[in-house]
Amino acid sequence: RKEVEQDPGPFNVPEGATVAFNCTYSNSASQSFFWYRQDCRKEPKLLMSVYSSGNEDGRFTAQLNRASQYISLLIRDSKLSDSATYLCVVNGYSGAGSYQLTFGKGTKLSVIP
Amino acid sequence: DGGITQSPKYLFRKEGQNVTLSCEQNLNHDAMYWYRQDPGQGLRLIYYSQIVNDFQKGDIAEGYSVSREKKESFPLTVTSAQKNPTAFYLCASRGDRRGEQYFGPGTRLTVT
Repeated sequence: RKEVEQDPGPFNVPEGATVAFNCTYSNSASQSFFWYRQDCRKEPKLLMSVYSSGNEDGRFTAQLNRASQYISLLIRDSKLSDSATYLCVVNGYSGAGSYQLTFGKGTKLSVIP
Repeated sequence: DGGITQSPKYLFRKEGQNVTLSCEQNLNHDAMYWYRQDPGQGLRLIYYSQIVNDFQKGDIAEGYSVSREKKESFPLTVTSAQKNPTAFYLCASRGDRRGEQYFGPGTRLTVT
């Protein structure tokens, strides 16, 4: 079974803290990787893609280690508005010429004033 | 505005009734997907369609049916054969760059 495993959470951190989420995936043929953010009772929204060389978008930094099949997301200077569930998502070949996304169960972040 | 719309936002049905959930996109994406999300669970794939007039079963297709007669539309029918239909249903379409998917706002279905 191809799976994506995430930190169980929840993470409760004070404003301004740095928090890191980790994720491992089992399908070594996975092609692309993402972090999504999902607010309570809302749809998931793409936060950022994850590139092999690592990439940064403002306060968010994503890293990928293909050899270890490991993905991470670092949030610096946490804001109250960062409170959400963060989903680790992997795009892998599922046969018959199609690629599918496999979603982790998510890690809930609560940023406390 | 380009995006994906789902309707209705909330839907209530009696057991034994079929119900159809709407999903429309104006992003000109070929591929569309239906997922189900239950509390504390990850998203599970119900059906997907890579092109008009073609669709494939996902991991949990039993009790569901779809059609893809137009590129913009991918409705999902939850039939009375689905044992536990109460859930949050999400429709998505796939972008062209790295396979990322974009989601509609979802439909919360409650069957009693």
